[in-house]
Amino acid sequence: GAGVSQSPSNKVTEKGKDVELRCDPISGHTALYWYRQSLGQGLEFLIYFQGNSAPDKSGLPSDRFSAERTGGSVSTLTIQRTQQEDSAVYLCASSLDLGAYYGYTFGSGTRLTVV
Amino acid sequence: KQEVTQIPAALSVPEGENLVLNCSFTDSAIYNLQWFRQDPGKGLTSLLLIQSSQREQTSGRLNASLDKSSGRSTLYIAASQPGDSATYLCAVKGSQGNLIFGKGTKLSVKP
Repeated sequence: GAGVSQSPSNKVTEKGKDVELRCDPISGHTALYWYRQSLGQGLEFLIYFQGNSAPDKSGLPSDRFSAERTGGSVSTLTIQRTQQEDSAVYLCASSLDLGAYYGYTFGSGTRLTVV
Repeated sequence: KQEVTQIPAALSVPEGENLVLNCSFTDSAIYNLQWFRQDPGKGLTSLLLIQSSQREQTSGRLNASLDKSSGRSTLYIAASQPGDSATYLCAVKGSQGNLIFGKGTKLSVKP
């Protein structure tokens, strides 16, 4: 696609429920990144993919968080048993490659509210 | 561990002024540095990307410089306009492949 697409744009869920957030990167971009932005905070790195593999999962806040990418394209971020502190904007970005010369393109984000 | 700091945290200027936003980083071993703009409730828009071998990049009224050895970058905005009001984020790309962000500078340009 022309840009990075994220869905849903807004999600309100009850505490304890599972949620899935989706990211559709720019066609041909092999690198995909997930970030979290809490109210008034900076961007927190969660995980990145090169193709379908995730070399670095250290940014995931807890084992309730998982992410996968299939076919080198769409990625889903799953949060199990959501907590109120999970409320944030989840941003996805893609890049042509992990290499030094490529910048990132961000999606508009999914605003998650846990009530 | 790389840390990125942006000063000031907030800035308010009258329309027409030239202004400078500052970004500093602790580890000079970066691949590139990128400046983004974020409007309230929106995602990030890339403004300028500077490779580690470059000193500056220009786009319209924006000019970004990079001094890798001292761990500093500046974003210069000429003839500011109310439409420039947004949060400006600086991010560096290191060897791990991910971007490390500063907390941003919130700019308000008054008509």
